[in-house]
Amino acid sequence: EAQVTQNPRYLITVTGKKLTVTCSQNMNHEYMSWYRQDPGLGLRQIYYSMNVEVTDKGDVPEGYKVSRKEKRNFPLILESPSPNQTSLYFCASSWGGPGNEQFFGPGTRLTVL
Amino acid sequence: AQSVTQPDIHITVSEGASLELRCNYSYGATPYLFWYVQSPGQGLQLLLKYFSGDTLVQGIKGFEAEFKRSQSSFNLRKPSVHWSDAAEYFCAARGFGNEKLTFGTGTRLTIIP
Repeated sequence: EAQVTQNPRYLITVTGKKLTVTCSQNMNHEYMSWYRQDPGLGLRQIYYSMNVEVTDKGDVPEGYKVSRKEKRNFPLILESPSPNQTSLYFCASSWGGPGNEQFFGPGTRLTVL
Repeated sequence: AQSVTQPDIHITVSEGASLELRCNYSYGATPYLFWYVQSPGQGLQLLLKYFSGDTLVQGIKGFEAEFKRSQSSFNLRKPSVHWSDAAEYFCAARGFGNEKLTFGTGTRLTIIP
């Protein structure tokens, strides 16, 4: 089954404790992206990747890191999480090109205390 | 700056009634336009998309959207809503040659019996 998976689905952590949210897709998509969803703000793009070893900042990259060492994986790293990073995070992937549908993962709800 | 606006935060509609969700965009040139739906606790699913050509676009689940260049709008419609349509709906746009997908803030749809 074609899908985007994220782990963990739920995470409660404390300020400053490094964490990684994994994202994997099995559709051989070139493009992958991370979004955060906050009430009243919709989805905002954090980082995206056009292909392996090619990443770029989205609208809200501060406090996040990503890597794209393999085509299927695009982990999101929070080196020192803070409470303002409490949010719902979505990973998405698509074929290259701006007109292609993005397929979304189920989301990761992160709470930083 | 490029932006997508959904002026209605919350809409309530009776089951069986018609629906129209509004979306306006601000881009230098006509972007690729999308409508996504997010059911409670789920990721986002693409309803339909517009690139060019026929300005009335048909999507899944009985939805359609009409592109109006003169009004910079891409409104989503459904002739008769079902209780299962209760969800949050997001309009999104992506500029040609620009890999960033910009979302509106979403419209929450409530269906009453």
